[in-house]
This record gives sequence, C-alpha cells and structure tokens, in this order.
Amino acid sequence: GAVVSQHPSWVICKSGTSVKIECRSLDFQATTMFWYRQFPKQSLMLMATSNEGSKATYEQGVEKDKFLINHASLTLSTLTVTSAHPEDSSFYICSARGNFEFGNEQFFGPGTRLTVL
Amino acid sequence: KQEVTQIPAALSVPEGENLVLNCSFTDSAIYNLQWFRQDPGKGLTSLLLIQSSQREQTSGRLNASLDKSSGRSTLYIAASQPGDSATYLCAVPPRSNSGYALNFGKGTSLLVTP
Repeated sequence: GAVVSQHPSWVICKSGTSVKIECRSLDFQATTMFWYRQFPKQSLMLMATSNEGSKATYEQGVEKDKFLINHASLTLSTLTVTSAHPEDSSFYICSARGNFEFGNEQFFGPGTRLTVL
Repeated sequence: KQEVTQIPAALSVPEGENLVLNCSFTDSAIYNLQWFRQDPGKGLTSLLLIQSSQREQTSGRLNASLDKSSGRSTLYIAASQPGDSATYLCAVPPRSNSGYALNFGKGTSLLVTP
C-alpha cells in the first residue's frame, strides 16, 4: 500500500506558541488529505478536509483561525496549531486519499503527539 | 450523520481462540468500509477494505464481512496470537460526498494472553 509520513512524531511546546505538523504522501499524489484528532481513549474525530490548491473545509466546532491548514502540493499538507494551549494536547493524525488504483482507500500517517505545557 | 458503533468495547481472550469483532453503522449507503489496527500511542494500520459491492475480504488470519442492508460488519480473527493485541477500529465514509472522510467507531480493545 501507499505510505504517508508525518513530522514531527511528537512535540512538546509552551502555551501560546505555534506548532506546525507536516503530512506527506511519499509514493503517490493525494489531491485530498484529512486531519483527525484523537484524545486519550477516544476515537478519531475529523477536523478538516484539505484539498490541494484550495481552502480547507473545517468540521463544525473546529476553529479555522486556530488550526491553519495548507495543502500547497499534491504530496504535502501542513497543520499549524496557533497559540497552542494545554487543551490542544492530543494525537493528530493525517490521512491521504489515494487515486483510483488504490480504490479510494485512505492511508494514514503515524500520527503526531502534541503536548502543550 | 453516519454513526459507527463497535461492540464489544474491550475483549480479553487466551491465545489460540477465534474471535469476532462487531461494527454497526446507521446509514447503509456507504462507499466502503475499512478495518484498522491501532497500537498504543501509534497511528493506524489498514487491515482490510471492503467496497460497497463486496461481501467479504480476507487477509491471512483476518476475514471481514459486510452486510450493507443490516448496517453491519464483522472482523473475524482466527487463531489469535498475543501480537494481535491492539485496538481495532471500524470506519466508514459519511453518506454525503465529503471527500471520503471517515467516521470512526470507538474501537474494540483486544488483549490476547499467552
């Protein structure tokens, strides 16, 4: 299957700082990438849908000015958590939708553990 | 909105047992259904993808079935091993075309004891 990477795998930051997380599709082009958030012992919740070359679509309750998404190329999407606070501490996972040869399957990155002090 | 429920929430079995994990969804008009495995603190590993036109998929000791009309899928694990211990997630896209984002169940936490 296709491979999706995320960087960094974990990050610790001070409250009020901004953190950027990268999501890359390594061996395929992804016109659509998704960002999910997972709190401890909870399931994954979709935050936003990122389409290459256009603005991201955010789910209800997700602040677009706080979680900035950029999908500048067919292999890279970034999520920037601006002015992070302790309640933003979570596991952030991206996924990329493959093209037809992959049957529209979604491939997930390994996740980024964000801890805000 | 598509809602996904997984039963049981947790399961502990001795090594060697065959087991079944259940997933139900509220809207039967799905594009496909995926089963994932998640190890603690890790990302997701895709196990099986069943297209809406299929009834089952097999990979090694894993077999997933899909019954769209009843809104159910099962993941069958044969001859379980301690290495199978993980959380298993079921996910389906929502009915509307939102670019195939997935709705996840809360998962079944599986522990296989030696």
